[in-house]
Amino acid sequence: AQSVAQPEDQVNVAEGNPLTVKCTYSVSGNPYLFWYVQYPNRGLQFLLKYITGDNLVKGSYGFEAEFNKSQTSFHLKKPSALVSDSALYFCAVSANSGNTPLVFGKGTRLSVIA
Amino acid sequence: DAEITQSPRHKITETGRQVTLACHQTWNHNNMFWYRQDLGHGLRLIHYSYGVHDTNKGEVSDGYSVSRSNTEDLPLTLESAASSQTSVYFCASSTGTSGFPDTQYFGPGTRLTVL
Repeated sequence: AQSVAQPEDQVNVAEGNPLTVKCTYSVSGNPYLFWYVQYPNRGLQFLLKYITGDNLVKGSYGFEAEFNKSQTSFHLKKPSALVSDSALYFCAVSANSGNTPLVFGKGTRLSVIA
Repeated sequence: DAEITQSPRHKITETGRQVTLACHQTWNHNNMFWYRQDLGHGLRLIHYSYGVHDTNKGEVSDGYSVSRSNTEDLPLTLESAASSQTSVYFCASSTGTSGFPDTQYFGPGTRLTVL
């Protein structure tokens, strides 16, 4: 069975500082990995995904994520945080074989302080 | 522009009543999904469909049902609403064949309260 862990419920960072939101996964075989963001009273919005290829994936709004197979991690990063980045972030995983849907983590609330 | 819509956006109902939440997408996506979002649990999959007349149970399917009669719609029915089903419900759709986990696009959500 596949699973995702987001070990931090809340991450606080000062505006202008780099941010990292952590994600580790467990899946049989090679993973498909996604990051989504949710702003208050909105649905989830796609940020980026890893399917295959380069371990560093660049996405929307200046976010990037690094796939680390040995550590089974897919941490979300941004070099310089903005107050507008404050939101709820979800990591999701699926195995790349068979018809397995995505499994989402419990989410990490990012708060960027001016 | 293509989109995915949910209705109603807010619903209050009573225990034991049947409730149907609508989801409509104009992306012409094969795959559609229903999730519920609860504090401390993140998003949990209720039911999903990989095409017309195809439906599958997710992690938390008890008390819910879906049917897929066309590409655009996947209504979610609560057969007999319970207070434990108070939640925010999200519909999503994605392209791809055979359930390939391509990017999912989410609707705005329906906030359901069961009294």
